[in-house]
Amino acid sequence: EAQVTQNPRYLITVTGKKLTVTCSQNMNHEYMSWYRQDPGLGLRQIYYSMNVEVTDKGDVPEGYKVSRKEKRNFPLILESPSPNQTSLYFCASSINFDRTLRPGELFFGEGSRLTVL
Amino acid sequence: QKEVEQNSGPLSVPEGAIASLNCTYSDRGSQSFFWYRQYSGKSPELIMFIYSNGDKEDGRFTAQLNKASQYVSLLIRDSQPSDSATYLCAVWVTGGFKTIFGAGTRLFVKA
Repeated sequence: EAQVTQNPRYLITVTGKKLTVTCSQNMNHEYMSWYRQDPGLGLRQIYYSMNVEVTDKGDVPEGYKVSRKEKRNFPLILESPSPNQTSLYFCASSINFDRTLRPGELFFGEGSRLTVL
Repeated sequence: QKEVEQNSGPLSVPEGAIASLNCTYSDRGSQSFFWYRQYSGKSPELIMFIYSNGDKEDGRFTAQLNKASQYVSLLIRDSQPSDSATYLCAVWVTGGFKTIFGAGTRLFVKA
């Protein structure tokens, strides 16, 4: 089954305790992205990756890191979480825009709800 | 100015009515346009894709695109209570290599 898998799905942590949210896709997609979703603000892009070892900042990258060492995995790292990073996080993947008739179509993971106390 | 704007709602319609959802976008370089449905606490699910001016129909859903007016809409005919969700308008901006989302419109269909 084609899917994007995120872990953990739910996490409560404390300020300053490093955490990683994993994301893995089995569709051989080149493009992967992280979004956060907050009430009234919609989905905002944190980071994206066009392919292995190619990453770039989205609209709200502060406080986050990513890496893309393998095509299927795109972990999101919070080095020192703060309460303003409490949010619902989604990982998404897609075929690169230049190889599809539907550029920008995203396949989402189930989401990771993070609470930072 | 927000890049993709939607009325947050909530929009309430009776069962069997037509629900009309609207979206405007600011970047004229936008190439692809999407409507996602998101149930509370769940991930967004693609329901419509459109890239050329005019209407595109898929079952009870019709997407309408007007690039000159930078306007996208979604019509849901014969609305059902199961259509109650938040509908996200999204736009692919080629130069930015990203899909930009509106904040979403909450739809309630009353039985």
